[in-house]
Amino acid sequence: NAGVTQTPKFQVLKTGQSMTLQCAQDMNHNSMYWYRQDPGMGLRLIYYSASEGTTDKGEVPNGYNVSRLNKREFSLRLESAAPSQTSVYFCASIITGRSSEQYFGPGTRLTVT
Amino acid sequence: AQSVTQLDSQVPVFEEAPVELRCNYSSSVSVYLFWYVQYPNQGLQLLLKYLSGSTLVKGINGFEAEFNKSQTSFHLRKPSVHISDTAEYFCAVGRGKLIFGQGTELSVKP
Repeated sequence: NAGVTQTPKFQVLKTGQSMTLQCAQDMNHNSMYWYRQDPGMGLRLIYYSASEGTTDKGEVPNGYNVSRLNKREFSLRLESAAPSQTSVYFCASIITGRSSEQYFGPGTRLTVT
Repeated sequence: AQSVTQLDSQVPVFEEAPVELRCNYSSSVSVYLFWYVQYPNQGLQLLLKYLSGSTLVKGINGFEAEFNKSQTSFHLRKPSVHISDTAEYFCAVGRGKLIFGQGTELSVKP
C-alpha cells in the first residue's frame, strides 16, 4: 500500500494563477482532510470530506475549493493564488469511527510569488 | 469549541537527557488526544494516542504521554533522547477533525 499520496511535491505559482493539488489514498478510508502548515501556527484545517459525496469547510476555507472525486481521491483547488497561500499543504485520511488516527501524505510545498 | 496549546515553541536538550514537551487542551466534550512527529521535509507520523482507559500511553521510539483530565494536559516524555529525535512535535485533539497545537521544535545536541 502506498498510503496517502500527494502531487505535486513542489509548485511555484504567480499571483492570480490557478492550480489543483491532488490527493489519493489506497486504504479504503472514508474521511479525507486538507490542512495547511505555516510556521508557528501548526496545522489548520482547510476543508474535509466525511464521506464520498460530502465536503465541509474547516477553519481556513477562503480562497480554496475541494472536490471528492471518489472514495480514493480528494483534490484542493486554488482558483486565484495569492502570496498568503504560500504554505505546505497536507492531505490526510481516516476510517471514520476508528480511533480518529489520521494518516498523512508527504505534503506539497507551494510558493506564490 | 476545542483548542490546544503547546507551551514551548522550542526545546533544546542534550543527548541522553530526559525531555518533556507540554500540551494543554480545552474541550467541552470527551476527546481523543494525539502526538505526531514531523521530521524535516516530511509528513506527520503518529507517535501515540489516548482514546480511553489507562492514562499513561506508550508510543513509538520510547515516547510516552500522560493524560491528566483535571489539569487538561497531555504532556509527552522521553527518559533519554537521541540525536535522531530532533524534529517538530505536534499535539492534537479531536474526534475525526483534529485541532493541532502550534508545534514544539525539539533540538537534541551532542
